[in-house]
This record gives sequence, C-alpha cells and structure tokens, in this order.
Amino acid sequence: NAGVMQNPRHLVRRRGQEARLRCSPMKGHSHVYWYRQLPEEGLKFMVYLQKENIIDESGMPKERFSAEFPKEGPSILRIQQVVRGDSAAYFCASSPGYIQETQYFGPGTRLLVL
Amino acid sequence: AQSVTQLGSHVSVSEGALVLLRCNYSSSVPPYLFWYVQYPNQGLQLLLKYTSAATLVKGINGFEAEFKKSETSFHLTKPSAHMSDAAEYFCAVSDPRAAGNKLTFGGGTRVLVKP
Repeated sequence: NAGVMQNPRHLVRRRGQEARLRCSPMKGHSHVYWYRQLPEEGLKFMVYLQKENIIDESGMPKERFSAEFPKEGPSILRIQQVVRGDSAAYFCASSPGYIQETQYFGPGTRLLVL
Repeated sequence: AQSVTQLGSHVSVSEGALVLLRCNYSSSVPPYLFWYVQYPNQGLQLLLKYTSAATLVKGINGFEAEFKKSETSFHLTKPSAHMSDAAEYFCAVSDPRAAGNKLTFGGGTRVLVKP
C-alpha cells in the first residue's frame, strides 16, 4: 500500500509566481491535513480537508493561500504571488477519518522562493 | 488553545546510553499525545501515541513514553541509544473533541548520537 505521495519534492519559484503543491493521500483515506515547517521550527497546522470540503482552515494565512481536495484527484495547496517568507517545507498528512485516527505524513515539498 | 513545549532543542547522547526527550503540554481537555520522528529530508513517522488508555505507551524502535497528568508531561525514553536514532523528534498534542485531529507540535529536539 503506497504511502502519502507529495509532488513535487522540491519547488523553486521567483517572487510573485504561483506555487502548486500536490498531495495524494493513502488509499482509503478521505481526510487530508497540510502543515508548514519553517526553517529550524516545528510544524504548524494550516488546513484540514475532507473530500470537497474545507473543515478547518484556522492555520491558513488570510491572503494568497488556498487549498482544495476535489472529489477526484489529489489535494492541492496553492500559494499565489509567493514571497521569500513562504520558503518552507510543506507536509501533507492523511488519515482514514475515524476516532483516534493516526495521521500518516508524506515526504514533504520543499519550496524555495528566490 | 493547546501548546507543546519541548525542553532542549538539541540533545547529545552516547551510543548505548539512555535517551530522554522532554515534552510538556498545555490543554484544557484531556488530550491525545504523539511522538513523531523525522529523518533528514523526510516526512514524519509516528513513534507512539497516547489516546487515554494505558499511561505507559510503547512504540516502535524501542521507544516508550509515559503520560503524567499531574505533571502535564509526556517524556520519551529509550534505554539504549543506537546510531540510527539520530534524527529530530517532535511531540504533538490534539484535542479529541475537535472536528478532525489537527496536531499542535512542539519545536522539536534534534538528537545526536556519539559513537
């Protein structure tokens, strides 16, 4: 059973460009979480999604960031007009969606903004 | 709101020595608690979790952690360090009552194992 897949693993963007990060959850998992890890820091929750629904986006920056998890296909984290402060590792986790669920993490996408 | 504090951002241990990583949490409700390990340039792997059953939790790779409500702690231990234990370790907490299971992480502790 394949684990959580994220692509690309590394992404370089210039300031003002858009970044699209993809996450394919484990087979059978319908819940997806996105976390951001700034250099030398722990992970910070960004958003929690179920298929076609955003359940909790309390950790998302108010501007430029958006996330979706369509009925078909991977979850997408989109960052518009990137700035240098967006440089970080972005991790996706998935879970089956029942009580006491464990989150399984992907390898992350490392975004570098020049 | 929940929070996690990991004392010591870096810990150095000798191979074969005890590994002790400290984690204290703050939560207004009985929490779920987790320890994850992160190897360089990889994602997080779950070591163990506490979900209100036994207070002493055994995980993978010989690690265990004890939930102490009176001390609001969930320290991680391993009796004998191995070179392969060199990694970064994160303690995390979640609210069982909340929709979903979003994790609040501590700042991490990087473990160096000396031969």
